[in-house]
Amino acid sequence: EDQVTQSPEALRLQEGESSSLNCSYTVSGLRGLFWYRQDPGKGPEFLFTLYSAGEEKEKERLKATLTKKESFLHITAPKPEDSATYLCAVPEEYKLSFGAGTTVTVRA
Amino acid sequence: GAVVSQHPSRVICKSGTSVKIECRSLDFQATTMFWYRQFPKQSLMLMATSNEGSKATYEQGVEKDKFLINHASLTLSTLTVTSAHPEDSSFYICSARAPTEFYEQYFGPGTRLTVT
Repeated sequence: EDQVTQSPEALRLQEGESSSLNCSYTVSGLRGLFWYRQDPGKGPEFLFTLYSAGEEKEKERLKATLTKKESFLHITAPKPEDSATYLCAVPEEYKLSFGAGTTVTVRA
Repeated sequence: GAVVSQHPSRVICKSGTSVKIECRSLDFQATTMFWYRQFPKQSLMLMATSNEGSKATYEQGVEKDKFLINHASLTLSTLTVTSAHPEDSSFYICSARAPTEFYEQYFGPGTRLTVT
């Protein structure tokens, strides 16, 4: 069974303090890795799809990278509006296998 | 693009009544949609997979007679919680699988169900 593990569980940052979130996975034949952002009381918002080791995707202050065993989500100079839970997921048969998420809190 | 809507966003119902939640893919056709349940501070729990024109596939432990799913068209799936009880109170989220190379799932905004 595929497994997705995210770390840390929670991350408290000062505004402007860059950091990285980790998503490690065990999967036979990766068919994509997805990052989502979820705000409290809302559904997850799609951020990125990564497929090949070495691939990078960027969106505003977020950059996602992929290696053969893990993915990183880098948050550069975060702002309070970047506070959210970030989820990574990999396809497992017909469904997605999610990590438990990293809750990021950015203080002004 | 890739917008998924859900209706209603919040619903309060009395114990014993049924509630229907709609999930629509607004700008793409989705042969497959998913229904999730999420408890506070927990990750998403897949309840069932909804395929257009066929019966839904339920995850282990999910009562198919309580949670009725209908995927009547390529843009609409509905979840009906029948004979609701307070323990069914939760946050329900649907997603639609995009017809892209990697079949990303796009999620709706969720429905908060409270059963009194």
